[in-house]
Amino acid sequence: GENVEQHPSTLSVQEGDSAVIKCTYSDSASNYFPWYKQELGKGPQLIIDIRSNVGEKKDQRIAVTLNKTAKHFSLHITETQPEDSAVYFCAAKNFGNEKLTFGTGTRLTIIP
Amino acid sequence: DGGITQSPKYLFRKEGQNVTLSCEQNLNHDAMYWYRQDPGQGLRLIYYSQIVNDFQKGDIAEGYSVSREKKESFPLTVTSAQKNPTAFYLCASSTMGGPGSYEQYFGPGTRLTVT
Repeated sequence: GENVEQHPSTLSVQEGDSAVIKCTYSDSASNYFPWYKQELGKGPQLIIDIRSNVGEKKDQRIAVTLNKTAKHFSLHITETQPEDSAVYFCAAKNFGNEKLTFGTGTRLTIIP
Repeated sequence: DGGITQSPKYLFRKEGQNVTLSCEQNLNHDAMYWYRQDPGQGLRLIYYSQIVNDFQKGDIAEGYSVSREKKESFPLTVTSAQKNPTAFYLCASSTMGGPGSYEQYFGPGTRLTVT
């Protein structure tokens, strides 16, 4: 089955700087890669996703890049703000499979 | 408001008791999922259902049971056979087929504590 590894487990960034979280996956058939943000005591919220037919996707201050050859994808947050502090999860899925496989999460702390 | 509701937010039970967690969605989604989240870990799939009256085991189904009698509802029962039931439980839903069918949306979660 699919295995997703996520790094780092914790990340502290000065407000205004950029943050990068990286994930690798094992199943070359995976073709959908979402990122979720989870605030304390709440459910995860989908913030951006990418499909295997594109290499990069942007939405304001966040972007995701995908390297299918190397089987890794990354989340980039620019101009970080205090409200970006949360736990971020990556995940991977094969269109023919209903199961999402999640990474173990990255706790991002933005230092004012 | 459209979305997924889970109740209650906090649940306390004594060891040996079965407990049922509620999940309701009004998004008209066909598929529903239950995940378990433990500190420092990712989300692990317990059960999922793609259609009424049908469901499949996920990666950690032992000690859990589900039903899907209505499209909107997917309750999870944590039985006394679950060896370590204390966790944060998350329900999610998604459409089936079409361009948005891969996006799973999550409810607010239920924190279950068993003592």
